[in-house]
Amino acid sequence: QKEVEQDPGPLSVPEGAIVSLNCTYSNSAFQYFMWYRQYSRKGPELLMYTYSSGNKEDGRFTAQVDKSSKYISLFIRDSQPSDSATYLCALIGFSGGYNKLIFGAGTRLAVHP
Amino acid sequence: DVKVTQSSRYLVKRTGEKVFLECVQDMDHENMFWYRQDPGLGLRLIYFSYDVKMKEKGDIPEGYSVSREKKERFSLILESASTNQTSMYLCASSLIRPGNSYEQYFGPGTRLTVT
Repeated sequence: QKEVEQDPGPLSVPEGAIVSLNCTYSNSAFQYFMWYRQYSRKGPELLMYTYSSGNKEDGRFTAQVDKSSKYISLFIRDSQPSDSATYLCALIGFSGGYNKLIFGAGTRLAVHP
Repeated sequence: DVKVTQSSRYLVKRTGEKVFLECVQDMDHENMFWYRQDPGLGLRLIYFSYDVKMKEKGDIPEGYSVSREKKERFSLILESASTNQTSMYLCASSLIRPGNSYEQYFGPGTRLTVT
């Protein structure tokens, strides 16, 4: 079983739609949760980062963490074509004496005008 | 503005060749990482380094080695390239020492094809 599961998509939505992207994880020791966005032919860049259960909002983006269900979500409101990218969840885990990022496989999102 | 650069965007090599991938960061970060990214598998950690001349194996180090002679530069070496090493290779750096690693800044990636 993978430590982090993420549906690879692709997910295709019309402009203006609300998008929901999700990851599940298996290890309850994960404490920090991140969402990265990766445009085609670019490296990933950090979009949002959260520590606790609950919601964190940044403009049109909301990150939600439910530690009891081991479930994290990223919501995009009023989606735009410029949001078309791959979204990767990342969790910080402890392994081999170090903290390291463990990534989901990424969900490819296409927002069409 | 943090900048992580990688020596090549695209690389084609033959099976058995020794391959060097170079990564340079300009933000004086202690930590540097090499990942490979494959469809459906996400990013997998190959090696990381938390200081000059220090290196630690990640999840898939077999067939790779690394070198960190200077703080800003982290090299990934494929000792004898094989077709199953065809992939996108991403370098990243971060400021905080292991124990509190958070945001990692990524380079644009090198798409390596081994024929």
